[in-house]
Amino acid sequence: DIQMTQSPSSLSASVGDRVTITCRASQGIRNDLGWYQQKPGKAPKRLIYAASSLQSGVPSRFSGSASGTEFTLTISSLQPEDFATYWCLQHHTYPFTFGPGTKVDIK
Amino acid sequence: EVQLVESGGGLVQPGGSLRLSCAASGFTFTNHYMDWVRQVPGKGLEWVGRSRNKANSYTPEYAASVKGRFIISRDDSKNSVYLQMNSLKIEDTAVYFCARSESSGIHVFDTWGQGTMVTVSS
Repeated sequence: DIQMTQSPSSLSASVGDRVTITCRASQGIRNDLGWYQQKPGKAPKRLIYAASSLQSGVPSRFSGSASGTEFTLTISSLQPEDFATYWCLQHHTYPFTFGPGTKVDIK
Repeated sequence: EVQLVESGGGLVQPGGSLRLSCAASGFTFTNHYMDWVRQVPGKGLEWVGRSRNKANSYTPEYAASVKGRFIISRDDSKNSVYLQMNSLKIEDTAVYFCARSESSGIHVFDTWGQGTMVTVSS
């Protein structure tokens, strides 16, 4: 199975901060990676697909990038509604696997 | 509006069975693959399995943790996908989400249902 590592596991940030979350795949997955945001008691919501494409309706402060097996989600200016848990997902090979998540809370 | 609504969750004893349903609306169901993902409350996300569409022979895929116990099926006439869960274990306790994907492999889990809770306990 492809293992996804994600860092940091949690972070505290302030409104307006630039936030970067990284996922690393245990083997090549091309750009078959998505980023999801989840708020407590809710279903995940897709933010980024194909590693760097912005989901329609998602604010442009969210962006994704890739370099080899390392993938990055960046929030350019954190907003109050962005405090949530973020997950990466590889869908290159079955079984699909998620990263362990990054919880972003208020500093 | 694209919508997925799960139902069928509840309390079941270890070794028991439960069938979850996911009703889809607002899109052409037959064009899409449908997946199940689960989450122990407060924990991570685990992909459970997938039903491909008719064009791809409805071929399923399963996570190793559920293979041989869970069965995914779909009824395109009802725009619904199902998760039949047999020989349930305590570790199957989780919120179960259905999610939509495209056969292209690009748009994966682009829409999710609200989830239904399954509790396996004696």
